[in-house]
Amino acid sequence: GAGVSQSPRYKVAKRGQDVALRCDPISGHVSLFWYQQALGQGPEFLTYFQNEAQLDKSGLPSDRFFAERPEGSVSTLKIQRTQQEDSAVYLCASSFPRDSGTGELFFGEGSRLTVL
Amino acid sequence: SQQGEEDPQALSIQEGENATMNCSYKTSINNLQWYRQNSGRGLVHLILIRSNEREKHSGRLRVTLDTSKKSSSLLITASRAADTASYFCATVHSGNTPLVFGKGTRLSVIA
Repeated sequence: GAGVSQSPRYKVAKRGQDVALRCDPISGHVSLFWYQQALGQGPEFLTYFQNEAQLDKSGLPSDRFFAERPEGSVSTLKIQRTQQEDSAVYLCASSFPRDSGTGELFFGEGSRLTVL
Repeated sequence: SQQGEEDPQALSIQEGENATMNCSYKTSINNLQWYRQNSGRGLVHLILIRSNEREKHSGRLRVTLDTSKKSSSLLITASRAADTASYFCATVHSGNTPLVFGKGTRLSVIA
């Protein structure tokens, strides 16, 4: 498809389980971003890649959160030992420019994580 | 943390009316963007206004930026039921940091 693709769309995990969320950006987009969106809130920045390099991970809330983009295309956000406060929608976005997102971002539909 | 603050938090209007949403931010910006999010969906970019611009139009959208007041407004003219969504402003600080989103305005357009 032409847009940003995220999977799974919905994930239910028991507290303590590990989860992996996948993002397939628009082909050719250099920059990739992960955001976390709690219910009724705006997206909060988690981390940013330019190609395979993770240039900013200042928004990751704890060391249980880990993101990678090994070949500069698909990215995975991994959450270890999930907690209830991790319940949120995780949004992935990509953009073409080499800067850190000063232009338009293209978002996927998000992965809704519910931790029981 | 979220820099932008949209006002109002929620807005309900009749179809055909104009809708105005405001955004305030705290520190200097490179540009400001508005996004729309339908319930359960991802965000869609609407318009970008640079720090040296004061007004921009796109179809039924009009965006203004007042850097002295650190504020922006989004006007949707002749609203339609399909405009029902949440609208977010997002800022890029000087120095090219990633987009920082506000909490959004939930717009309901009643047919």
